[in-house]
Amino acid sequence: GQQVMQIPQYQHVQEGEDFTTYCNSSTTLSNIQWYKQRPGGHPVFLIQLVKSGEVKKQKRLTFQFGEAKKNSSLHITATQTTDVGTYFCPWSDSWGKLQFGAGTQVVVTP
Amino acid sequence: NAGVTQTPKFQVLKTGQSMTLQCAQDMNHEYMSWYRQDPGMGLRLIHYSVGAGITDQGEVPNGYNVSRSTTEDFPLRLLSAAPSQTSVYFCASSSTGVGAGTGNTIYFGEGSWLTVV
Repeated sequence: GQQVMQIPQYQHVQEGEDFTTYCNSSTTLSNIQWYKQRPGGHPVFLIQLVKSGEVKKQKRLTFQFGEAKKNSSLHITATQTTDVGTYFCPWSDSWGKLQFGAGTQVVVTP
Repeated sequence: NAGVTQTPKFQVLKTGQSMTLQCAQDMNHEYMSWYRQDPGMGLRLIHYSVGAGITDQGEVPNGYNVSRSTTEDFPLRLLSAAPSQTSVYFCASSSTGVGAGTGNTIYFGEGSWLTVV
């Protein structure tokens, strides 16, 4: 069944640096969503990408959907301490179960 | 608009006790689910429901029961609490058809921190 792998699972970033995290699917996706969970909080919707090659920006965050619609990336420019958290790209398997996986945990050091 | 409401926020149980985590949503969503989150393990699906009267198991269902008598409510029951069930529990809801592939946003409750001693 469909599965989305996120890499890396853990990212340690110096404040001010850029980094990228990826979601890779075993099958073609009709769309992909990204969620962010702050420490001690709950996951919150960030964005949805639908079109092949689509790029969307939210301030310092750039989201991209691959041309084949099987992968997506989140690039954060000039990381700030407010970027700390875990980023998820959930998927539905063939039985309709909504899976989140481990996500990418981002730690920012000043 | 309350969204997804979970209660209680914090709970301490003794081993062997039972309890129910409540979850209610006011968005008329068909899909509801429960996850547990442990350090380094991400969100693991316990049980889910695609509509009133329909429930199914997720990845880690043992020790938990659910029911869905109404569209709004999806309680999670711990039958006989064990220390391994110490975790943070999240309830989530979405319109029919969920997550990547459907376009429907997933809404989460604020979480319930459960400690079993």
